[in-house]
Amino acid sequence: EAEVAQSPRYKITEKSQAVAFWCDPISGHATLYWYRQILGQGPELLVQFQDESVVDDSQLPKDRFSAERLKGVDSTLKIQPAELGDSAMYLCASSLRTSSGYTFGSGTRLTVV
Amino acid sequence: QKEVEQNSGPLSVPEGAIASLNCTYSDRGSQSFFWYRQYSGKSPELIMSIYSNGDKEDGRFTAQLNKASQYVSLLIRDSQPSDSATYLCAVNIEGNNRLAFGKGNQVVVIP
Repeated sequence: EAEVAQSPRYKITEKSQAVAFWCDPISGHATLYWYRQILGQGPELLVQFQDESVVDDSQLPKDRFSAERLKGVDSTLKIQPAELGDSAMYLCASSLRTSSGYTFGSGTRLTVV
Repeated sequence: QKEVEQNSGPLSVPEGAIASLNCTYSDRGSQSFFWYRQYSGKSPELIMSIYSNGDKEDGRFTAQLNKASQYVSLLIRDSQPSDSATYLCAVNIEGNNRLAFGKGNQVVVIP
């Protein structure tokens, strides 16, 4: 079964440092999403790509977060500088059509100390 | 008003019983609805999708949709300890082509 690949699985970083997450969606899925999930809450959308274009980044804290999907395939989410409040699970998902739901990757658990 | 609301606290059910989870949503234009299961420390896994009013059954799971009341529910019959997880309700926000998620409901099945 096709999977969304994410790395790393876990990341511990000190505040003010830079951190990056990588995602490779299911082959052929044009839409890619990055979500953040704080413990005890539901996932919240950070950024949505259609191919290489950003469709929605209204909830992305652009002073410290950036995301790119240069060739319309894999994607990188970066945080610089990291803050304590960024500790969360960062989830990547892809879909053919939103109406058929998403497939999530395994996520990256970020801890900022 | 939140796009998707799941207001129930943790649900404890004995093994073999029925677990019932509820969700309401605010976007009347939504046409696609999903339930995800999330084990502790893991990512969400899609378990049910529903698009039309009424019931949809898949094994021990039944999803129910009432668009007039903007209400989605999930029933888990013959609950098993392996069903212990958090269940997330997700709704397709048509104008933005994205899923909005509720905060989730934790289910604990007691052997």
